Amino acid sequence: DTAVSQTPKYLVTQMGNDKSIKCEQNLGHDTMYWYKQDSKKFLKIMFSYNNKELIINETVPNRFSPKSPDKAHLNLHINSLELGDSAVYFCASSLSGPTDTQYFGPGTRLTVL
Amino acid sequence: GENVEQHPSTLSVQEGDSAVIKCTYSDSASNYFPWYKQELGKGPQLIIDIRSNVGEKKDQRIAVTLNKTAKHFSLHITETQPEDSAVYFCAATSGTYKYIFGTGTRLKVLA
Repeated sequence: DTAVSQTPKYLVTQMGNDKSIKCEQNLGHDTMYWYKQDSKKFLKIMFSYNNKELIINETVPNRFSPKSPDKAHLNLHINSLELGDSAVYFCASSLSGPTDTQYFGPGTRLTVL
Repeated sequence: GENVEQHPSTLSVQEGDSAVIKCTYSDSASNYFPWYKQELGKGPQLIIDIRSNVGEKKDQRIAVTLNKTAKHFSLHITETQPEDSAVYFCAATSGTYKYIFGTGTRLKVLA
């Protein structure tokens, strides 16, 4: 009964490839997020969706495209992967409001060779 | 821009001692301050939070204090145990859905 789940947990791929990471939450939350954690453990928000609408889009390359088919899912698609994309990507969700607590998934470690 | 500074970056304490981690935020409109614990290979887990209308909150061995005037907040862990070893992150938000995270503190509790 995992609250926020992500697949895959590990992703190793070559430069130039396209890959997707999936996220699902069973908490009934309206808002979902994608974060990137770099090698120094710094956590930075990338995107946020509320009721399937994009509400946060930080300075992220166009190669990254989030998609929210429904409130329970927020997937991240990355085109033309680069070495600098290697990081751990975390999905999170919160109930609805802008200061509601965010609950994180287990992370996806992406390694670009 | 918005910024959250966190100190220290690493902290080693003997089992049973107390640990204190401090954060300072720049956005005076910040009104919610969560603390997360991240164990190796896992996602951040909320351990305690505080809102701007409260000065202190305690949950068993963990407490958080907030000084709005000075724009800083602190995490206090008493009677530390080896399982408290992890990376701890503070965060602040002003109601924009965006958390600004601190740079993390690696806590080691020595048995």
